This record gives sequence, structure tokens and C-alpha cells, in this order.
Amino acid sequence: DGGITQSPKYLFRKEGQNVTLSCEQNLNHDAMYWYRQDPGQGLRLIYYSQIVNDFQKGDIAEGYSVSREKKESFPLTVTSAQKNPTAFYLCASTVGNGYTFGSGTRLTVV
Amino acid sequence: DQQVKQNSPSLSVQEGRISILNCDYTNSMFDYFLWYKKYPAEGPTFLISISSIKDKNEDGRFTVFLNKSAKHLSLHIVPSQPGDSAVYFCAASAHRNNDMRFGAGTRLTVKP
Repeated sequence: DGGITQSPKYLFRKEGQNVTLSCEQNLNHDAMYWYRQDPGQGLRLIYYSQIVNDFQKGDIAEGYSVSREKKESFPLTVTSAQKNPTAFYLCASTVGNGYTFGSGTRLTVV
Repeated sequence: DQQVKQNSPSLSVQEGRISILNCDYTNSMFDYFLWYKKYPAEGPTFLISISSIKDKNEDGRFTVFLNKSAKHLSLHIVPSQPGDSAVYFCAASAHRNNDMRFGAGTRLTVKP
């Protein structure tokens, strides 16, 4: 079955640590996106990539980094520069008719 | 800058009755609108969409209405079922799928 796989489902990070969230898709979609969900704020765009080896900042890119070395993979690194990283992170991909989302990763800073 | 707004954070409806979820937008360049449904700890799933050339789109129990002059869209669920209980996100984009913006979501609870 085609879809998007995000891992891990839950992630705990100590302050000052970098962590990387995985997003893999086997839908052959060119475009991939990372969103962050906070209560009462909907989904906010962190980074997106329309094609391999290219990506663009979204509305809240500060403290995050991404790479797109393969079409199937779009990992997100939450760096120590992100001051409030506790949130639910969603990866999505699209080829034209709306987004397909992964099941999300809940990141908690402890 | 919240370009897509869902002003009701929650809605409670009795089973069998109509659920109406509302969404307003500010960007007149938006021409494609979608509704997503999200269960806890899961990613959103696509529900229904409408392009700006239409004012209504229907899919089974779900109907989306678009009022371009008011920059307002609504999702009607008739009849509502307990399994419809979820968070519903409204989304909009200019030139389909380019930089989609989401509302804050409305939590729908359908009571048996």
C-alpha cells in the first residue's frame, strides 16, 4: 500500500539536543511538506520541497533544517535553536489533488 | 497572519442532526479549498474539496458550500454520526496545492 511513514511516533528530547524526524513516502510524489500543529493554531508550514535537492522555508523555519537527497525521503531536524519544539509534527506529500499526510510525530522536550 | 480562520474551536451535535462547520479566508487569490478530518494522534485525511468555479460540492453525507463574495465556506454533514467526531481543518490555496494554508480546526463531537 502506498503512503507516508513518519517515525518515531513519540520522541523525547533533552534541551540542547538536536533530533531528526523521519518522513518516507512511496507514492512517487514530487512535493513534500513539514507542518507543525499546536493547539488552537492549526497547521503551520515549516519547510517544503518541490523536487529533489531543493527545498524552501515555510512560515516558521527558524530552528529547523531539512534535506531532500531522495524523492522518497524528507527528514526534518529540530535543532537546539528551536526555542519551543514541543509539538505534533506532520509530514505531507502531494502530486496534485490534495495532500496525503503521515500519522505524525509527537515531540516533547524534557 | 491567519489567512484561513475557523472561529469555532468546538461544536457539539446530536446524532442524526446536521453539523455545520464554518471557515473564513482573507486572501482573494485562494481558488481551491479543502476540508480535512483528523483523529487524535493521526495525520489529517482528505474529506472533500471545492474549486472557486463552483459554489457547492457534494459527496455522500458531506457538502461544502463556497461563498466567494463573503470569502466564506462551510461543511455540512447530514446526518451526523458518532464516527464523525474528530477535528476538522479547512484549507485553502492559490493555484492548487501551492502553499496551502490551514485553519486552526474545529473539534466536532457527535453525541449518540
